Amino acid sequence: EAGVTQFPSHSVIEKGQTVTLRCDPISGHDNLYWYRRVMGKEIKFLLHFVKESKQDESGMPNNRFLAERTGGTYSTLKVQPAELEDSGVYFCASSRDRVTYEQYFGPGTRLTVT
Amino acid sequence: GDSVTQMEGPVTLSEEAFLTINCTYTATGYPSLFWYVQYPGEGLQLLLKATKADDKGSNKGFEATYRKETTSFHLEKGSVQVSDSAVYFCALSDEGGGADGLTFGKGTHLIIQP
Repeated sequence: EAGVTQFPSHSVIEKGQTVTLRCDPISGHDNLYWYRRVMGKEIKFLLHFVKESKQDESGMPNNRFLAERTGGTYSTLKVQPAELEDSGVYFCASSRDRVTYEQYFGPGTRLTVT
Repeated sequence: GDSVTQMEGPVTLSEEAFLTINCTYTATGYPSLFWYVQYPGEGLQLLLKATKADDKGSNKGFEATYRKETTSFHLEKGSVQVSDSAVYFCALSDEGGGADGLTFGKGTHLIIQP
């Protein structure tokens, strides 16, 4: 079974530009999560999809971040316009259900905003 | 809100030494507790979990016991190997309150020397 994949693995953009991160969850996993780790800090929850619906987006930092999951398969996270403080590693995770909370993580996308 | 506090590293040990990584938590509900591990260049992997008080999670020689009275979930291993070098994250999920996602500690970088 293929794991969670993320693309790109690393992105370097200038302040003010737009970046789109992609996550492909494990096949059959309805639950998809985005997290972010800023340098030296905790991994922070951003939002949770159940299929194509946003279940909880309480962790999204501001309206420069837009997440979508059309069709309930892969998800994208767009940052527009990017700011310096958006730099960090963005992780995606998926799970079959919420009850067990056994989330499977992707390798992350390292975003550097200069 | 919920929070997880773990000892920050790096923690450097010699091969075959005894390992303890401390983790304490604050939660509003009745959380499940997890240890995740991130090996160099890889995503986070679930190492072990415990879903209720006094449960012991174990995997690959690592153990952690859910102690509700001390709100702790310390990770232990009797004899570490060089291959255990990684970053270890303590985390919780709180179905009784808070956001949908996991709440993580800052991570502990473990270095095992031959």
